[in-house]
Amino acid sequence: DIVMTQTPLSSPVTLGQPASISCRSSQSLVHSDGNTYLSWLQQRPGQPPRLLIYRISNRFSGVPDRFSGSGAGTDFTLKISRVEAEDVGVYYCMQGTQFPRTFGQGTKVEI
Amino acid sequence: QVQLVQSGAEVKKPGASVRVSCKASGYTFTNYAIHWVRQAPGQSLEWMAWINIGDANTRYSQKFQGRLTISRDTSASTAYMELNSLGSEDTAIYYCALGALDYWGQGTLVTVSS
Repeated sequence: DIVMTQTPLSSPVTLGQPASISCRSSQSLVHSDGNTYLSWLQQRPGQPPRLLIYRISNRFSGVPDRFSGSGAGTDFTLKISRVEAEDVGVYYCMQGTQFPRTFGQGTKVEI
Repeated sequence: QVQLVQSGAEVKKPGASVRVSCKASGYTFTNYAIHWVRQAPGQSLEWMAWINIGDANTRYSQKFQGRLTISRDTSASTAYMELNSLGSEDTAIYYCALGALDYWGQGTLVTVSS
């Protein structure tokens, strides 16, 4: 199974300031079709997860442009350009390249 | 709009089975796969299984092999997850999610307690 490792596990942030979360996979996430199936999800307290970013850097419908994703191969990053109060929650990276799908441990973003 | 609506919370005794449903609307049910993911209290997300709704092809996490069955009823636009031989470690919120994990159900809390 592909192991997804996130850092940090907790990220105190200041409103209006940037934040960054890293995710590393134990093997390359490049699929045989040439795509890299790395997604980022947000889970607000008491809510189901919500897709933010798919295929490394594509924002899902309705996701604010302060969220951006980057990376390649085994190293990926989620950035929030200016943190807002509604961004509090836990963020997960997830690989969709191979079965079983696997998630990172989650990074708690708190003000 | 796309919606996945799951069945209500369940309380089960150890050794019992639980069946959770996930009713889809707002899209062509047979065109997309559905995943099942669970989250134990205070824990990360754990992928359990996947079903291609169109041809009923399935993939399971090896962790649940033998006691997990997922299925679908295309006439009812509903997917199902059945987990057997429940133990306290199966206490979790169970989610269904559409193909690319782009839409999620609201979650179903399953509590296993004697």
